[in-house]
Amino acid sequence: DAGITQSPRHKVTETGTPVTLRCHQTENHRYMYWYRQDPGHGLRLIHYSYGVKDTDKGEVSDGYSVSRSKTEDFLLTLESATSSQTSVYFCAISGTGESQPQHFGDGTRLSIL
Amino acid sequence: AQKVTQAQTEISVVEKEDVTLDCVYETRDTTYYLFWYKQPPSGELVFLIRRNSFDEQNEISGRYSWNFQKSTSSFNFTITASQVVDSAVYFCALSGINAGNMLTFGGGTRLMVKP
Repeated sequence: DAGITQSPRHKVTETGTPVTLRCHQTENHRYMYWYRQDPGHGLRLIHYSYGVKDTDKGEVSDGYSVSRSKTEDFLLTLESATSSQTSVYFCAISGTGESQPQHFGDGTRLSIL
Repeated sequence: AQKVTQAQTEISVVEKEDVTLDCVYETRDTTYYLFWYKQPPSGELVFLIRRNSFDEQNEISGRYSWNFQKSTSSFNFTITASQVVDSAVYFCALSGINAGNMLTFGGGTRLMVKP
């Protein structure tokens, strides 16, 4: 299994609070991604990173920010959580090379009340 | 823009039946890659296969087989002699030639295999 750890695995919080999810990899892969999974939508890309301090927006980036200060860590922050951000969040990593498959962490279930 | 459509949202079969999961894609890229992932009830996403747009040979891996047809923009997945352990949500995904190996996912097909 790819060495990807997401923390926390579950979180319940209130609307308006800041939330940070962490993704840690031990594979030294260049690319890292954050997705959200909602019923009927499959997985949608929030942000991705192609190197330390290099990030870009995905399809559903509004309300989210990311940071990558080290190769192994990719943080996703909800500055002021809203109920619409209740979802399951997945981190993924991918090696360098044309269309290498992405490998996923176990997910974080986030509930915003 | 890229798009992946999995028209079957849910399929229910009885164990030992064969089942085919459909995937239709849209892309303007001439070079692209197609993927299938499995998400069992435990929730993790498992990579199953990657095919590139220049390789239309069907692939078989045990009870799994994949049929790629460029003419119909389809990449269908067949499970032969299904088993209860095959129960999962299956996602088809597409990647063009882009920096970052980004994927566009279909909405997924939930397969339920009953004993």
